[in-house]
Amino acid sequence: SQQGEEDPQALSIQEGENATMNCSYKTSINNLQWYRQNSGRGLVHLILIRSNEREKHSGRLRVTLDTSKKSSSLLITASRAADTASYFCATQNPYGGSQGNLIFGKGTKLSVKP
Amino acid sequence: DSGVTQTPKHLITATGQRVTLRCSPRSGDLSVYWYQQSLDQGLQFLIQYYNGEERAKGNILERFSAQQFPDLHSELNLSSLELGDSALYFCASSVASSGRGLGETQYFGPGTRLLVL
Repeated sequence: SQQGEEDPQALSIQEGENATMNCSYKTSINNLQWYRQNSGRGLVHLILIRSNEREKHSGRLRVTLDTSKKSSSLLITASRAADTASYFCATQNPYGGSQGNLIFGKGTKLSVKP
Repeated sequence: DSGVTQTPKHLITATGQRVTLRCSPRSGDLSVYWYQQSLDQGLQFLIQYYNGEERAKGNILERFSAQQFPDLHSELNLSSLELGDSALYFCASSVASSGRGLGETQYFGPGTRLLVL
């Protein structure tokens, strides 16, 4: 079952602009992770933010987490054509038997035009 | 390159058949996870193994089974295949130092694209 819902489903921007993607989830989490997938290929881990963290940076990526609203956002600054991909948020649930597995959202398809 | 390998890359087979997908985790990773990605269901967790033992089950059909061998590679067996089983199957691995993998990055392989005709 899906945990996260990304918003928007698709985003088209010009190179150099910032891209913001949002993710909402339903249950308590231990952490939230963002992954990137180039068309039909494997997923690449971008960043992990733990439930007690509010913001994290990695290069041109900035992730925020608001556990009170059960939401996260991924900001890509100064986007490049090479950032064109689908972006997924995924959560890990701290309770129950399936603690290690990731529960994915449906993804945001980002298109960066040169 | 994540360090996780999956074979084969592509698989075309007929309904009713059985196939085996293979995954080799990153060196040192003890836990292997299998995920299915389809257009209608998105990315779904199937099953997790840790050091040879099954640790967690997700939305895995009874027609599907998996195992992890002593050298830590894993195989996912899909039998009595149906058209709806056509999907991308990913394997991921993590260190899983706690045994569950909670709070750890998972490294994904390139996937096996299965087409059932």
